[in-house]
Amino acid sequence: QVQVVESGGGVVQPGGSLRLSCAASEFIFNNYGMHWVRQAPGKGLEWVAFIRSDGSYKNYADSVKGRFTISRDNSKITVYLQMNSLRAEDTAVYYCAKDEPAYCGGGGCYGVFDYWGQGTLVTVPS
Amino acid sequence: DIQMTQSPSSLSASVRDRVTITCRASQSISSLLNWYQQKPGKAPNLLIYAASNLQSGVPSRFSASGSGTDFTLIISSLQPEDFATYYCQQSYSAPLTFGGGTKVEIK
Repeated sequence: QVQVVESGGGVVQPGGSLRLSCAASEFIFNNYGMHWVRQAPGKGLEWVAFIRSDGSYKNYADSVKGRFTISRDNSKITVYLQMNSLRAEDTAVYYCAKDEPAYCGGGGCYGVFDYWGQGTLVTVPS
Repeated sequence: DIQMTQSPSSLSASVRDRVTITCRASQSISSLLNWYQQKPGKAPNLLIYAASNLQSGVPSRFSASGSGTDFTLIISSLQPEDFATYYCQQSYSAPLTFGGGTKVEIK
């Protein structure tokens, strides 16, 4: 059973930093891209960042570009989200999700989230 | 950015009702549209990918169609476990974007 498990959430003051981790299991991790998606309390879903299977390509939502960095360590089967200069509007549950390129036609496409973790809550008080 | 608009934002329905949720993209996204179900306090779950393909393990009462800008999710006979919030999401281009969600509540 494919699993992704997030950790690292917590309360951080505005301007502070936090690093989230996402540990994966039961799939060939270094064959798949990974995403971070967030959900503010009582709100909808917002895609945050994507990293290709080998780490060679990354993309970010404009709302986090320049402040957040996605990375991965395939030897540790883990993807990370380094969050700097945190703001109150970054308060959310952060989900890690596996990408399934076959579901968007392959050929380097990405953007279908077929497995999600349970999420980790990041709170930045205003 | 591609804007995704879902309607309605909420609906009330009874068990065994047929439920229809629509999603409209601000530009053509071909068939690169996915649907997710989210229950309170849980992560979203992929129901449908590429507009009309049922994800493995998803009951056949869920179906979907559409292409271009207009898409539909249908639950043919609503079951108690289907009361949840449903999101559409485009995988046509980054930034990947979601609809605002449709909350399906018990009448």
